[in-house]
Amino acid sequence: NAGVTQTPKFQVLKTGQSMTLQCAQDMNHEYMSWYRQDPGMGLRLIHYSVGAGITDQGEVPNGYNVSRSTTEDFPLRLLSAAPSQTSVYFCASSPGTAPNPLHFGNGTRLTVT
Amino acid sequence: AQRVTQPEKLLSVFKGAPVELKCNYSYSGSPELFWYVQYSRQRLQLLLRHISRESIKGFTADLNKGETSFHLKKPFAQEEDSAMYYCALRGYQKVTFGIGTKLQVIP
Repeated sequence: NAGVTQTPKFQVLKTGQSMTLQCAQDMNHEYMSWYRQDPGMGLRLIHYSVGAGITDQGEVPNGYNVSRSTTEDFPLRLLSAAPSQTSVYFCASSPGTAPNPLHFGNGTRLTVT
Repeated sequence: AQRVTQPEKLLSVFKGAPVELKCNYSYSGSPELFWYVQYSRQRLQLLLRHISRESIKGFTADLNKGETSFHLKKPFAQEEDSAMYYCALRGYQKVTFGIGTKLQVIP
């Protein structure tokens, strides 16, 4: 059982480049979300989805797009990378909402130069 | 709005000493609270949730609605407890995390 799988593990981008961080889960979870983790700031919610075809913004959505065409996949797109987007990105999923805990992927470490 | 406050970024304790990691929250509804742990360069994993009232790896946490707190406690710290600990609140559709507390257990 793979759980939540994120690719790539590491990525270096130049300012202005675009890319997609992939997230897939094989647990048939309805709820999926993206966080960025920065030192001293904890985890901040970027976007989330409560089911296929439904997405919504979190605390820090600017510069990021998401879509949810299937239950399994929830890709995060960086439209035009900026150095401020250098971070570790985590995808998480859960079966529905409260009171279920989140299951996390291993993270993607992104550096924008 | 929902908010989670972890007042200490770093907590250093000696092995065998008691540990208390503080967490306070703000939420207008009935909160679902969790503690997650992240060992060095690993994914976050669930440690505790208030609804189950269990003890995991010797850690316990009690929800105090009057003080809006969910502090994490362990009577005797072990070296393997060194990690980042995040308190999280699950409200309507969103999960909000605190900034995390790094627990350092000194041998």
